[in-house]
Amino acid sequence: DVKVTQSSRYLVKRTGEKVFLECVQDMDHENMFWYRQDPGLGLRLIYFSYDVKMKEKGDIPEGYSVSREKKERFSLILESASTNQTSMYLCASSLDIRTSARSDGEQFFGPGTRLTVL
Amino acid sequence: GENVEQHPSTLSVQEGDSAVIKCTYSDSASNYFPWYKQELGKRPQLIIDIRSNVGEKKDQRIAVTLNKTAKHFSLHITETQPEDSAVYFCAATYTGGFKTIFGAGTRLFVKA
Repeated sequence: DVKVTQSSRYLVKRTGEKVFLECVQDMDHENMFWYRQDPGLGLRLIYFSYDVKMKEKGDIPEGYSVSREKKERFSLILESASTNQTSMYLCASSLDIRTSARSDGEQFFGPGTRLTVL
Repeated sequence: GENVEQHPSTLSVQEGDSAVIKCTYSDSASNYFPWYKQELGKRPQLIIDIRSNVGEKKDQRIAVTLNKTAKHFSLHITETQPEDSAVYFCAATYTGGFKTIFGAGTRLFVKA
């Protein structure tokens, strides 16, 4: 059974704090993604990674960084949290459709972390 | 830049009626178009998808159509049921599947 887990369901932090959100997948997927979900804006891509130690900026990378030291784990880092980063954060993973005949590009999502920055 | 527009943002139908959600994408290089359903408090899950070499795909009460020339695709749900109530996201995938652009979502209410 496909499984993507995130370290916390709910998180409350103060402005200026460094925040770590972790995502782990057990499906041996090459690709991993971090999105934020806000009402009326859908899912916006923050960063993605297609291999260990590789990362690419998405549409809204400002104020965020990521780390992928192991294939199964993708971390999102807020260097100095701000109130406008209050949001739902979703992690996802997928097989690389270039190398896997089994993949159509479907993304499997984690349960989400609702982050509140006070 | 790449963009996916989704309409309507909210849709309310009576149980048993059909629901249609429409999306338009900007990059003609897109070749994979998934639809995700997100129930309240849950994660998005794939419900149906279509590739650019196919014009229509159906799975029971759900169908998706794709018009490559016009760069738009639609989700059709027939005989709607209360459990179809959720937020639906369309998406378009570019450049080898790395980057998926999502629409803003449609909140569907099915009234019993």
